[in-house]
Amino acid sequence: AQTVTQSQPEMSVQEAETVTLSCTYDTSESNYYLFWYKQPPSRQMILVIRQEAYKQQNATENRFSVNFQKAAKSFSLKISDSQLGDTAMYFCAFMRNFGNEKLTFGTGTRLTIIP
Amino acid sequence: GAVVSQHPSRVICKSGTSVKIECRSLDFQATTMFWYRQFPKQSLMLMATSNEGSKATYEQGVEKDKFLINHASLTLSTLTVTSAHPEDSSFYICSAREGRTGSQPQHFGDGTRLSIL
Repeated sequence: AQTVTQSQPEMSVQEAETVTLSCTYDTSESNYYLFWYKQPPSRQMILVIRQEAYKQQNATENRFSVNFQKAAKSFSLKISDSQLGDTAMYFCAFMRNFGNEKLTFGTGTRLTIIP
Repeated sequence: GAVVSQHPSRVICKSGTSVKIECRSLDFQATTMFWYRQFPKQSLMLMATSNEGSKATYEQGVEKDKFLINHASLTLSTLTVTSAHPEDSSFYICSAREGRTGSQPQHFGDGTRLSIL
């Protein structure tokens, strides 16, 4: 079974600064996907970024980028130039790339951007 | 982008009643839909995976007779909480995926807050 660990229950950072959220996972699979989802106070889950395990290049989406270390099973999210709208719960998730697979979520990190 | 509509967004009802929650993919065909439950300040817990035209696959510990899931079309799945009790109060979220491969991400609905009095 796969597990996803987010060791930072809460974080806060000043607006415009950079923040990194940590995520580690455990799996025996070699072919999988990793995701970061954002859940703002409105409670809707929003996909922030996705990484395919077979790709060595780190995924980026505007101000969001990841540091994917496959050997270390680490998948951190970096938010640059943080904005007030980034305040949310952030969940790291794992999914095997095999058939109709489900997401396994971490416990989440509550990020607060301070004006 | 892909839109998933979940209805109702909030429901309050008396203990013993049954409650139906709908999940619709508005602009794509959802071969697979997922139902999650989320307790306050906790992560999402997968309840079941629903494939169009077949029976749902429930996660261990989830009562299938309590939480009835129907995925009758490629755009609609429903979750019915039967004979609801206060312990069923929670936030329920659906997601939908086009196709069955990992290359397609899940798109989430806005969730339903269920309160059983």
